[in-house]
Amino acid sequence: DAMVIQNPRYQVTQFGKPVTLSCSQTLNHNVMYWYQQKSSQAPKLLFHYYDKDFNNEADTPDNFQSRRPNTSFCFLDIRSPGLGDAAMYLCATSRDIGAGGGYEQYFGPGTRLTVT
Amino acid sequence: AQSVSQHNHHVILSEAASLELGCNYSYGGTVNLFWYVQYPGQHLQLLLKYFSGDPLVKGIKGFEAEFIKSKFSFNLRKPSVQWSDTAEYFCAVNAGGFKTIFGAGTRLFVKA
Repeated sequence: DAMVIQNPRYQVTQFGKPVTLSCSQTLNHNVMYWYQQKSSQAPKLLFHYYDKDFNNEADTPDNFQSRRPNTSFCFLDIRSPGLGDAAMYLCATSRDIGAGGGYEQYFGPGTRLTVT
Repeated sequence: AQSVSQHNHHVILSEAASLELGCNYSYGGTVNLFWYVQYPGQHLQLLLKYFSGDPLVKGIKGFEAEFIKSKFSFNLRKPSVQWSDTAEYFCAVNAGGFKTIFGAGTRLFVKA
């Protein structure tokens, strides 16, 4: 089945120690997203890629970076994790067929990040 | 700024009861509307969507939602819930572009 895969499912890192979360997709979608979801809150968009074009949300901290080396893979780098960065990180994809976005998204299972 | 409000954070129902989950959004222009569901231990998945046309939208597993433009609402309904509908439900709104705003979710627990 075509799907969105996130690794690892659980990640523990130390305060200030860089961490990378990965996402891969077999859907061949051109748009990939990273969301942060804290307990009992809405998923919050951090950034998205349209093909290789990176689009950062205005309120995403500089501590969060992303890379998309090819269509299938996308990485979330947290340069210096703080306790407040502990959350579920969701990767999603969508296919833009040229009508300006707004299409349904396909989500991975998420990576739960713990910062000690 | 756009926002999505889901009125109930937790709902508990008995099997066969009817369900209505409220969702309101703040945006005056054209919107695309979604309900996503997350079953225990699973990833978020699309339940139904509205882009245009008939404001009453039918989704998977007997769910439907009605878009009422004048009320900025997109409430989710199901006439008779089952134990397997226990999940968290998220309303989401897209007003163009690639940013979709999600509500905080409603946790539904259905008692067998």
